[in-house]
Amino acid sequence: EPEVTQTPSHQVTQMGQEVILRCVPISNHLYFYWYRQILGQKVEFLVSFYNNEISEKSEIFDDQFSVERPDGSNFTLKIRSTKLEDSAMYFCASSQSGAGGSTGTDTQYFGPGTRLTVL
Amino acid sequence: SQKIEQNSEALNIQEGKTATLTCNYTNYSPAYLQWYRQDPGRGPVFLLLIRENEKEKRKERLKVTFDTTLKQSLFHITASQPADSATYLCSTSGAGGSYIPTFGRGTSLIVHP
Repeated sequence: EPEVTQTPSHQVTQMGQEVILRCVPISNHLYFYWYRQILGQKVEFLVSFYNNEISEKSEIFDDQFSVERPDGSNFTLKIRSTKLEDSAMYFCASSQSGAGGSTGTDTQYFGPGTRLTVL
Repeated sequence: SQKIEQNSEALNIQEGKTATLTCNYTNYSPAYLQWYRQDPGRGPVFLLLIRENEKEKRKERLKVTFDTTLKQSLFHITASQPADSATYLCSTSGAGGSYIPTFGRGTSLIVHP
């Protein structure tokens, strides 16, 4: 069964450094998402991406964050200058159609996550 | 702001019994409500989606209800098994035309053999 993959599984960085988290969505999916989950807290939406554009973003997704689909398979999340509070598990997800689709194919498939630790 | 409440206490049940988890939301009317399973250190796994015009949906041993008057969803697992032990997340979206999902913190289910 196809699955979303993410690399690295664990990233440790110093405060103020830039990090890039990478995701390979399921191949025939067109919608891509990033979420984060601080340890012991709820999953929080960051951004959705379709047709090489951001569709929606949350208040968390400020100017320090950016997303890119550099080629036909990868989807990346960049944090420009990491802060201690950016430490969390970051999940990538993809779906065949957009959220709210009537066909039921908007199911989001999540990757295993990248644990980001900012020291 | 949109808020989802799920029971923070773990639900402990015996194998074979029906587990019932509750999701309450306040101050908004989502068009969609989803349930996910999350195992420790892993990403959420989609289980069921129910729309605002649906009262109930079933999939194998799973059943979800959606009461838009009470602003509540119930998630049932019948004939529970130890392998069902996990955290179950409720998520809503589609309120006010935005599909940004809101997640609850989840309820831990522990099924004892």
